[in-house]
Amino acid sequence: GDSVTQMEGPVTLSEEAFLTINCTYTATGYPSLFWYVQYPGEGLQLLLKATKADDKGSNKGFEATYRKETTSFHLEKGSVQVSDSAVYFCALSRNANTGNQFYFGTGTSLTVIP
Amino acid sequence: GAVVSQHPSRVICKSGTSVKIECRSLDFQATTMFWYRQFPKQSLMLMATSNEGSKATYEQGVEKDKFLINHASLTLSTLTVTSAHPEDSSFYICSARGQGSYNEQFFGPGTRLTVL
Repeated sequence: GDSVTQMEGPVTLSEEAFLTINCTYTATGYPSLFWYVQYPGEGLQLLLKATKADDKGSNKGFEATYRKETTSFHLEKGSVQVSDSAVYFCALSRNANTGNQFYFGTGTSLTVIP
Repeated sequence: GAVVSQHPSRVICKSGTSVKIECRSLDFQATTMFWYRQFPKQSLMLMATSNEGSKATYEQGVEKDKFLINHASLTLSTLTVTSAHPEDSSFYICSARGQGSYNEQFFGPGTRLTVL
């Protein structure tokens, strides 16, 4: 069945370091891919998404490219800030907006130290 | 952006009791609400989907008599864990979806349930 695998954390980086959080997926057909972020004590927030192969989602300096050939959707940011400390979830859905079949990764905790 | 709240944020109960968790969409009407469960260091797993005014659709393996879901209004859904046991201890997250500009899932902050 459909599933998402993302790198385990926790990840600790110094401010202004480069961030990569790996995410790969298993799915039939053409799912949509998402990255969600969860700040301490808050709900999940949509960070970015891509709905078809080769699409690049971007937001707040974060980017991820939908790579069908490698079934990946790695999250990157060139220079992280302390305020980026949060848990990041990769997810896929068969339908971009209904989310009736959302599959989440286990989450990767990121801590950025000054 | 759209805000979804959950209450309570944490609850501790004794085995055999029932616990109700509320999920509210604060600034939009949620035609559909979703309930997820997250075990430590595991993915969020969809438990059920509910549309306002109709019965919830449960995912395979989720006991509908144990996890009662009510979506009586466009801003409120409740999840009741009946006769809770320690294995029901988990993090429960709801999400809500509306229409138009709210046609995506907005997640609540989650409820930590601990059953003693």
